[in-house]
Parts: sequence; C-alpha cells; structure tokens
Amino acid sequence: DGGITQSPKYLFRKEGQNVTLSCEQNLNHDAMYWYRQDPGQGLRLIYYSQIVNDFQKGDIAEGYSVSREKKESFPLTVTSAQKNPTAFYLCASSIALNTEAFFGQGTRLTVV
Amino acid sequence: GQQVMQIPQYQHVQEGEDFTTYCNSSTTLSNIQWYKQRPGGHPVFLIQLVKSGEVKKQKRLTFQFGEAKKNSSLHITATQTTDVGTYFCAGRNNTDKLIFGTGTRLQVFP
Repeated sequence: DGGITQSPKYLFRKEGQNVTLSCEQNLNHDAMYWYRQDPGQGLRLIYYSQIVNDFQKGDIAEGYSVSREKKESFPLTVTSAQKNPTAFYLCASSIALNTEAFFGQGTRLTVV
Repeated sequence: GQQVMQIPQYQHVQEGEDFTTYCNSSTTLSNIQWYKQRPGGHPVFLIQLVKSGEVKKQKRLTFQFGEAKKNSSLHITATQTTDVGTYFCAGRNNTDKLIFGTGTRLQVFP
C-alpha cells in the first residue's frame, strides 16, 4: 500500500527539549517537503528537498533542522530554539518539484 | 519574498449556492495547484494549471489561471455539504519552493 506516513499523530514534549518528527514515503518520489500549519492558517514551508543528501530552507526554517540520508525518509527536528513549536506539521512528497504533492496525515505537536 | 494571498478568508453559503475563491501572487507563477483540506484532515491535490489563461473543469469545480500568471480562481457551482473544507492554492515562481496561499474556509449549510 503506497503512501506517505507521518508518525506519531500526536506528540507532547516539554519546553526546551528537541523532538524529531518522522516522515516516510514509499512512492519513490524525489522531492519532499515540511510545512507548518497553525490554527486557521495556511501552510508555511519549513524545509524542502529535491534529492537525497540535499535540502533547502523554506520561509520559516529557524529553529528546525532536517536530513535526507535516504530517498524514502525526511525527518524534521524541532529544536529548543524554535520559539513557538506547538503546531500541526505536514510532510509531503512529489515525483519532482513541479508536480502534485501528496501529504501525510500530519503530526500535531504540543509543547508544554 | 513570494506571497500568495487568498480571498475571502471565510465563506458561508447555503447548499445550492455558488462559491468562488481568488488567489493572488506577488510574483509571476510557473504553475499553480489547488488543494482541499477537510476539517481535521490533510491537503489533497485537486488540479494543476500551467498555461496562461488556462481553464479546467472537474464536475462542479472550475479552475482558472490568469493571463499574467499571477492570479487564479476556483469556482464551485451549486455547492453541496461535501464541499466543506479549506481550499488552498499553491504556486511556484522561478524558485523551487511550493508556496501555499492563505486558504479559504468554506462552510455549507443544508
């Protein structure tokens, strides 16, 4: 069953702790993305990757880090430097940068 | 940087009424995509427009890409309760980024 999987669905962390959100796809897509969505807001681009071992900053990369060591995986680390980490995080992938994006179910992160 | 705005932010309609959301970019776009996000869900791709002035239809949905490739619209004819959700446009300019619009949340009353 092909698709893009994010885990976990809900995540709680204490303030000051780093946390890593998982994103895995078995669609053989080259491009992957991380977006942040706040209540009632649009999607803001955090990081994106066109190909393995390469990634670029989006519009709100500060306080986040990513890696792309494997084609299937694009984990996002929310560091303690991120001032307002509580949000809904969406991972997406696409065959190439100018094709439709497929989204995962999202991870709702709450930092207390 | 590139900004993509959508209006209106919210729209409440009676079932059977039409609905339109407008998308405006601060820069010329190479293509534009439209997504629908149901409440509590994730965005799902609807369509992509590439050519200047392009119009595409999907049943009751009509998508347009402006002549200048800086704006787009989505029109739904005779809304149904299943149309409820937030509609996002997303565009690329001469960079690699896929930038999403601010979204229009549609509520349909039976």
